[in-house]
Amino acid sequence: EVQLVESGGGLVQPGGSLRLSCAASGFTFSSYAVHWVRQAPGKGLEYVSGITSYGDSTYYANSVRGRFAISRDNPKNTLFLQMDNLRPEDTALYYCARAAESAANLYYYGMDVWGQGTTVTVSS
Amino acid sequence: QSVLTQPPSASETPGQRVTISCSGSSSTIGGNLVYWYQQIPGMAPKLLIQRNNQRPSGVPDRFSGSKSGTSASLAISGLRSEDEADYYCSSWDDNLGGPIFGGGTKLTVL
Repeated sequence: EVQLVESGGGLVQPGGSLRLSCAASGFTFSSYAVHWVRQAPGKGLEYVSGITSYGDSTYYANSVRGRFAISRDNPKNTLFLQMDNLRPEDTALYYCARAAESAANLYYYGMDVWGQGTTVTVSS
Repeated sequence: QSVLTQPPSASETPGQRVTISCSGSSSTIGGNLVYWYQQIPGMAPKLLIQRNNQRPSGVPDRFSGSKSGTSASLAISGLRSEDEADYYCSSWDDNLGGPIFGGGTKLTVL
């Protein structure tokens, strides 16, 4: 079964850090770009970050650029999101998702496999 | 405020047809592919339409997508109660150099 499972969320104080993980299974992880998308409570979807299949190119939304870092470990089929200097507005459910098409770049081909999400709460 | 504009809500009765619009610009929808997602409350989003008008395997043909110029639409025919969900359009933004989502449309099946 093709699956993504996020972990690492939790409660953190403003200015703190968290590292999210996303474990992939059931497909050739190294063949696909993967993304992070978040959803604040009661709000819509917000694209956060993406990384190419080999990790040679990344993209960050303006709201997180300079504070978040995406990376991947292909031999371990795992995607990461290092989140530093967290703000209350980063509070959200964070999803990892697989690109719907295998491509060498980060051009958007949609996301066809999603995890169930991990919750990040930034509060004092 | 999202670069892709969707109506916040839509409603229709079972069996009828509803259309959800997504308005963008030449740097978004006008020059790029459009994707639609369905999100049932409490669940992860599901890819509904890819590449403007293609249904992934398993998506019923009651769902269809179209694109014209800088706008796109999602149509759902033969509405069912289980179609009650939030629907999001998504595309690439040439100015940002990355993907963006619309604000979402909450569909109510009356």
